[in-house]
Amino acid sequence: DARVTQTPRHKVTEMGQEVTMRCQPILGHNTVFWYRQTMMQGLELLAYFRNRAPLDDSGMPKDRFSAEMPDATLATLKIQPSEPRDSAVYFCASGLRLAGGPGETQYFGPGTRLLVL
Amino acid sequence: AQSVAQPEDQVNVAEGNPLTVKCTYSVSGNPYLFWYVQYPNRGLQFLLKYITGDNLVKGSYGFEAEFNKSQTSFHLKKPSALVSDSALYFCAVRLRAGNTPLVFGKGTRLSVIA
Repeated sequence: DARVTQTPRHKVTEMGQEVTMRCQPILGHNTVFWYRQTMMQGLELLAYFRNRAPLDDSGMPKDRFSAEMPDATLATLKIQPSEPRDSAVYFCASGLRLAGGPGETQYFGPGTRLLVL
Repeated sequence: AQSVAQPEDQVNVAEGNPLTVKCTYSVSGNPYLFWYVQYPNRGLQFLLKYITGDNLVKGSYGFEAEFNKSQTSFHLKKPSALVSDSALYFCAVRLRAGNTPLVFGKGTRLSVIA
C-alpha cells in the first residue's frame, strides 16, 4: 500500500530556530505539493513541484520559507527563522500528472505538526 | 480564477439517516471536482472525483456525489450515515485546462450522532 511519508510527525521548537520537514512522495509520482493547515486559514497551498521543478511557490513567505526537491524521492520544506505564527500542520501530497490526462489525484501524507514557542 | 464554497461549517445528522455535504464551485471553464475526508490527526484522504461522463460519481465508504453543471454544485451524499463518518470533508476544484493546482474549500465538519 503506497503512501506518502512525512518526517518528523511532531516538532516543537523555539522562535528563531531552523525547521526542516521532509516528505517522501509515492514512488512514480511526478508532482509534489506542500500545504499548511491552521484553524484560522484552513488549508493553504504553499508550493508545488512537477518532475522536481518548482511550478508555483507564491503561497510561501519567501523571506523565511524554502522548498526543494533534491531528488525524486525527497521533498523538503524549510523555515528559517521560525516564528510562532508558523505553528500549523504541514502536509505533503503527491500525484501523477500525465500529459493530456485529466490531472493528478493528490495523495496526502500524515502531516508534520509544528509548534513554534 | 477558480474557487469552491462549502456553505456549511458543520453538519449534524443522526446515524442511519441520509447525509448531504454541500459544495458549489466557480471556474471559468470545465472543472474537475474532488472530495476528500480528513479524520482527526490524519492527512486528507481521497474519496471520489468527477472527471467526465456520468454525473453521479461513486466513491469510497459508500459515498457518492452528483455533478450539476447548471447549479455549479458537487454535493457529497450517503444514503445511511455511520458514526465513523464523522470527520472534516473538503471539496476541491481544478480547471481542466492548464497546470493549475487544486483549490480546496474551507471544509465542512460532519458529526453523526448515534
